[in-house]
Amino acid sequence: ERQLVESGGDLVQPGGSLRLSCAASGFNIDKYWMNWVRQAPGKGLEWVSNIRSDGSEKIYVDSVKGRFTISRDNAKNSMYLQMNSLRAEDTAVYYCAGGTGWIMDVWGRGTLVTVSS
Amino acid sequence: DFVMTQSPDSLAVSLGERATINCKSSRSVLSSADNKNYLAWFQQKPGQPPKLLIYWASTRESGVPDRFSGSGSGTDFTLTISSLQAEDVAVYYCHQYHSDPLTFGGGTKVEIK
Repeated sequence: ERQLVESGGDLVQPGGSLRLSCAASGFNIDKYWMNWVRQAPGKGLEWVSNIRSDGSEKIYVDSVKGRFTISRDNAKNSMYLQMNSLRAEDTAVYYCAGGTGWIMDVWGRGTLVTVSS
Repeated sequence: DFVMTQSPDSLAVSLGERATINCKSSRSVLSSADNKNYLAWFQQKPGQPPKLLIYWASTRESGVPDRFSGSGSGTDFTLTISSLQAEDVAVYYCHQYHSDPLTFGGGTKVEIK
């Protein structure tokens, strides 16, 4: 069974940093585009970033450009999101999701990031 | 950016009845390169991650019951649940993967009447 497990979510002060991880099991992510999607409390889904299977292309939503960095290590079957200069509006459950092309057919259960003083 | 607008925001349907959710994109998600609509539907139950139901606007994901169907092309799409079951109570999102930034509709909450 394909599984994704996120970790690294925490309570952090505004302006702080956090690194999220996404570990895959039951399949190899090296053929998959991988994504981060977030969901603020009680709100809808917002795509944040994705990365090509070989890491050669990275795309971000405007609101996180220059602050967040997506990366992957196919040898470790994992993906990451380095989040800097965090703001209150970044508070959300962060999901990792992957699939063929840009279709997200496998999702993790999410990790909660809370930005508050 | 592609703005995805769903309607209604919520609907209550009796068990066994049909539920219809609409999604309108601000720009066409039909690719001229492959004649495919880059439109997906997700189901999200409380406390769970989203689950892919439909992709390419009308292709059902493996394991998804056939009471779920997707239709439409270009800018206007519909998700239909032909006979609502208790386990279908959830929020449903449309999603375009035609262009970045990838975007989602605001969601439609489906409840039992």
